[in-house]
This record gives sequence, C-alpha cells and structure tokens, in this order.
Amino acid sequence: NAGVTQTPKFQVLKTGQSMTLQCAQDMNHEYMSWYRQDPGMGLRLIHYSVGAGITDQGEVPNGYNVSRSTTEDFPLRLLSAAPSQTSVYFCASIRTGGFEAFFGQGTRLTVV
Amino acid sequence: AQSVTQLDSQVPVFEEAPVELRCNYSSSVSVYLFWYVQYPNQGLQLLLKYLSGSTLVKGINGFEAEFNKSQTSFHLRKPSVHISDTAEYFCAVSETGFQKLVFGTGTRLLVSP
Repeated sequence: NAGVTQTPKFQVLKTGQSMTLQCAQDMNHEYMSWYRQDPGMGLRLIHYSVGAGITDQGEVPNGYNVSRSTTEDFPLRLLSAAPSQTSVYFCASIRTGGFEAFFGQGTRLTVV
Repeated sequence: AQSVTQLDSQVPVFEEAPVELRCNYSSSVSVYLFWYVQYPNQGLQLLLKYLSGSTLVKGINGFEAEFNKSQTSFHLRKPSVHISDTAEYFCAVSETGFQKLVFGTGTRLLVSP
C-alpha cells in the first residue's frame, strides 16, 4: 500500500515554463487537496477536490490549475511558472467520512 | 474567517524535559482541531485531533492536547521529550470540511541531549 505518491520529488523550472505535478493515491479516498509550504507561512491550500470531476479553489489558487478525472489522480498544473511559485508542494487525501489527511512526501519546486 | 496562530516559531528543549507548543485559533463557528508533525524531508502525519467530546485528547508518541473553547486554544504537551521528537509541528483547524485545513505557521521543536 503506497498511500499518497507525488512525482517528481525535485524540479527546477525556468520562468515561463509549464509543468504538471503528479499526485496519486491508492486508498480510494474521495477527498484530495494540494498545499504549498513556504518558510514562516505554514501550509496554504491551493485547490481541493471532493470527488472525480469536482474541484474548487483554496486560499492561493492563482497560477495553478487542477482537474480530477479519476478517484486516484489529482494533478496540479503550472501554466507559466513564476519565481513566486518556488515552494514545497504537498498533496493530501482523506477518505469519505474520515478526518485524517494523508500526505505525500512533497515536491520541491524551484523557479529561476 | 478561520485562522491559526502559533506564536513560537522555535522551541529548544533538553531531552526528558516537558514541553508545551502553543496554538490559538479564531473562528466564528464550531471547529475541528488538529496537530500534525513533519519530520525532516517528510510529509505531514497526524499527531492528534479534537472533533468533539472530551477536551483532553491523547495522540501518538505520548503527546496530548487540551481544547479550551473560552481561550480558543489547543496547546500541545508532552511530559518528557526524546531526541526523536525533533520535528516541526503544525496546528490546523477545519470548520467547513477536513479537506480544507487552515494551518498555523509551525513550531520547530529542537530537542538536545
């Protein structure tokens, strides 16, 4: 049982490039979320999903897109990377009726 | 809007000493409260939670926390810390759904011999 898997673990992008951060969970959880972690700011919610085909914005959604075509996958897309998006990104999932968020190990993204 | 304040960015403590990590929250409705721990280069894992009922909650690794509604606090305590408790601790609140957690800025616990 792998839990929540994020790929890649590290990535360096140039300003203006696009990329997709992958998140997959094998626990059949309905709820999934993306957070970014910045020094001195804790974790902030970017986007979340309550099931396949349903997504919504969190606290800091600008510059990011998401979609949820399957229960297992919840990719996060950066359409045009900016230095302000340099951060550590965490994906999390929660089962329906549950309360515990299971986190992936994170993707450390640097935009130069 | 809900928010979480962790006043201490770093707490140094000696091994076997007690520790308290402070967390205050603000919310206009009933909330659910959590403490998560992040070990170096790892994701977060749940330490303990308050959903309802007893205000003193116990978690993993000997940690406990007390929900105080009048003071809007949810402080984390451990009577005797170990070197292995060195990590960053995040307090979080949810009022509208567990998939939408609001985190504090974190407290780095540094345990030295």
